[in-house]
Amino acid sequence: EAGVAQSPRYKIIEKRQSVAFWCNPISGHATLYWYQQILGQGPKLLIQFQNNGVVDDSQLPKDRFSAERLKGVDSTLKIQPAKLEDSAVYLCASSERDSLTGELFFGEGSRLTVL
Amino acid sequence: AQSVAQPEDQVNVAEGNPLTVKCTYSVSGNPYLFWYVQYPNRGLQFLLKYITGDNLVKGSYGFEAEFNKSQTSFHLKKPSALVSDSALYFCAVRRIYSSASKIIFGSGTRLSIRP
Repeated sequence: EAGVAQSPRYKIIEKRQSVAFWCNPISGHATLYWYQQILGQGPKLLIQFQNNGVVDDSQLPKDRFSAERLKGVDSTLKIQPAKLEDSAVYLCASSERDSLTGELFFGEGSRLTVL
Repeated sequence: AQSVAQPEDQVNVAEGNPLTVKCTYSVSGNPYLFWYVQYPNRGLQFLLKYITGDNLVKGSYGFEAEFNKSQTSFHLKKPSALVSDSALYFCAVRRIYSSASKIIFGSGTRLSIRP
């Protein structure tokens, strides 16, 4: 079974530029998550989708971050314009559904460096 | 608010010795607790979970965790450490709110196993 796919693995941009990350979850997984992991910290949930609807985006900086999951399958996370503090690894995860007992399956992450 | 705390940033253990990585939780109601591991430049991998039932939960790679309700702890353990166990370990709790739930991660503990 294919895992969660993310691209690009690495991205270096200058501040005020824009960047987009792509995620393809495990086939059949209804719930998709984007986490931000800053060096030395635990992952922080940015946005959670159930199929193509947003369940939680309370910690998404909406003035610069946006995410979509138009067909309920793959998803894109965009940052525009980027700030220095956005340097982090962006992790995508999926699960079969928003289950209390279900675990998350993570991709390898997209490492962003903002100069 | 439902959360987890990992009091140790780093744990150092000699190969062959038992290891413990500590986690305490703060939840209202029944806790749904998880442990994940992160190897360098990789995404998080699920190790084990506690939902209900036996307080000793067994997981991947020989790890186990002990749920202690009176001490609100969920410590990760392994009887005999391997050098390959060196990684970053995250405790997590499923936080339940009005319309859905989400997984909240601790700050992580770096486990270093010396030969």
